[in-house]
Amino acid sequence: DQQVKQNSPSLSVQEGRISILNCDYTNSMFDYFLWYKKYPAEGPTFLISISSIKDKNEDGRFTVFLNKSAKHLSLHIVPSQPGDSAVYFCAASPGMGNSKLTFGKGITLSVRP
Amino acid sequence: DAGVIQSPRHEVTEMGQEVTLRCKPISGHDYLFWYRQTMMRGLELLIYFNNNVPIDDSGMPEDRFSAKMPNASFSTLKIQPSEPRDSAVYFCASSFWGLNTEAFFGQGTRLTVV
Repeated sequence: DQQVKQNSPSLSVQEGRISILNCDYTNSMFDYFLWYKKYPAEGPTFLISISSIKDKNEDGRFTVFLNKSAKHLSLHIVPSQPGDSAVYFCAASPGMGNSKLTFGKGITLSVRP
Repeated sequence: DAGVIQSPRHEVTEMGQEVTLRCKPISGHDYLFWYRQTMMRGLELLIYFNNNVPIDDSGMPEDRFSAKMPNASFSTLKIQPSEPRDSAVYFCASSFWGLNTEAFFGQGTRLTVV
């Protein structure tokens, strides 16, 4: 049973436009969320995180939004660049401290020049 | 620091053979994780260590899998005997703070069992 779901396996956007990557979760105990980015033949790299006490966290072109009532989060990339083309993983954990991360299966983002 | 270093990058082995994957974490990181990535299940945590001690191995799929961390700078993941369904990309990661904080991943080992 997938507790973290990234239902769209792929997304294609035009350079300069907004990319919106969605993630849904089922475990109401999750309260800390992270996004990782992965290029081919490389390991995932941390991108941005958000705690459940916030509904938005911004870092440059990347913003993560959290809707706890809907158990939904999204990653916005504005403006999208060809270098953003990668697989994006959403991950969640039930709190701070040593709680295991549960990852989604990832979304492949392609940014067209 | 060179980051998390994994070896080999690619491994092709025959069913029934023993496979050993190696990892050197970032110096100073107290936590080391082994993950497996497959198309069907995505990224799964297999086991993690804190200060060289295995803390949670509940993600290890079977007794054929074992992991060790003899010192702070080295860990191994062993599969014996290997099976075709073990084919996946295995990632090692390390972090300073713990499980649900930023972890630094190695480049992974792509394992193919034929």
